[in-house]
Amino acid sequence: EVHLVQSGGGLVTPGGSLRLSCEGSGFTFSNFGIAWVRQAPGKGLEWVSSINNRGDSTYFGDSVKGRFTLFRDTAKSSLYLQMNSLRPEDTAMYYCARGDKWALDIWGQGTLVTVSS
Amino acid sequence: QSALTQPASVSGSPGQSITISCTGTSSDVGGYNYVSWYQQNPGKAPKVMIYEVINRPSGVPDRFSGSKSGNTASLTISGLQAEDEADYYCSTWTSSGTRVFGGGTKLTVL
Repeated sequence: EVHLVQSGGGLVTPGGSLRLSCEGSGFTFSNFGIAWVRQAPGKGLEWVSSINNRGDSTYFGDSVKGRFTLFRDTAKSSLYLQMNSLRPEDTAMYYCARGDKWALDIWGQGTLVTVSS
Repeated sequence: QSALTQPASVSGSPGQSITISCTGTSSDVGGYNYVSWYQQNPGKAPKVMIYEVINRPSGVPDRFSGSKSGNTASLTISGLQAEDEADYYCSTWTSSGTRVFGGGTKLTVL
């Protein structure tokens, strides 16, 4: 069965850093793009970042550009979202999801990030 | 990266049909056939219901259908059932290689 399992997250003070992990199973991880999508409490979905299936292109939303980075470890079927200079407005549930232009078809369970002093 | 425009809420009675609209621009919704729709229940991860404007993933009831005209995409649910009550989001890939979501629509089954 195809799964994405997330880890990381938690409470961090403003200006701090956090790394989220997304591990795939049941499919060839390197054949698919992966996106990160977040949802602030009581709010809608916001696309954060994507990496394409070849792993040679990454994209970031304006709200996180310059602060968040992506890197992939295909040997571990994992993608990591490194979040630096965190702000209170980054507080959200973060989801990783498999997909590319066409859609996001498999979603992780989500991991909560809280930025607060 | 402006969000796509969706109505905040729609409602319908069991058995009826409802349509949720999703309006973007020629650089996103209108420019590509990459509109997808997601259903999200409280406390759960989203689930894709429609991809590439009109296609249903395996397991999604054929009561769900998608369409597009110009810069506006639509999700129609026919034969509404109580279990369809959820939040629905449209999304599309954009010409800059990014992805954008709509603001979400809360569907209430009366």
